[in-house]
Amino acid sequence: VLTQSPDTLSLSPGDGATLSCRASQTVTNTYIAWYQQKPGRPPRLLIYGASTRAAGIPDRFSGSGSGTEFTLTISRLEPEDFAVYYCHQCGRSPRTFGQGTKVE
Amino acid sequence: QITLTESGPPLVKPTETLTLTCTFSGFSLTTEKVGVAWIRQPPGKALEYVGFIYWDDDKRYHPSLRSRLTITRDTSNSQVVLTMTNMDPADTGTYYCAYSRSESHYNMDVWGQGAMVTVSS
Repeated sequence: VLTQSPDTLSLSPGDGATLSCRASQTVTNTYIAWYQQKPGRPPRLLIYGASTRAAGIPDRFSGSGSGTEFTLTISRLEPEDFAVYYCHQCGRSPRTFGQGTKVE
Repeated sequence: QITLTESGPPLVKPTETLTLTCTFSGFSLTTEKVGVAWIRQPPGKALEYVGFIYWDDDKRYHPSLRSRLTITRDTSNSQVVLTMTNMDPADTGTYYCAYSRSESHYNMDVWGQGAMVTVSS
């Protein structure tokens, strides 16, 4: 089980954002990813392997963590960053997603 | 450029069988170390993993769906087909297919736009 916190983050453009994802069991870093989803749109892969940015993802997005605690950091929020963010693990069957953090 | 498009009925009745087709371009499902995932999302809720098919035809299903779910591929037509039997209103949601590869640890690199499926009598 992946538990994200907080459920909602109320911020302004230019602010920094820190999103947390806690796993109920240890997950190898290799198998942690973060996705961004905007209303009415499919998710977009941001980070995989806990800290590797996917192609085309700006460097204001960074991932970190190990074991059971993982973090997505957005250094300076741009207007297009306001969305829902999901963590995901594919190291244990079945794959699971967190419940999401909404950045508003 | 990789694209995926989901297609299927928007409405199914309880106990009926759902068949969704994911038609893709820009890659081949016979290329080593690629795959296609199915993910669904109930209205207003979080993403849920459904299943996965690999380049070698290996398949993985969510345990809670395994008895009702089949994922197959038609490599000549660049399609992946999801079949889910005995549909229930709890299966209502948007169903996405997504391209995946080993370089990104089999995460979902490219997603289709999704197909909304409502289960109701």
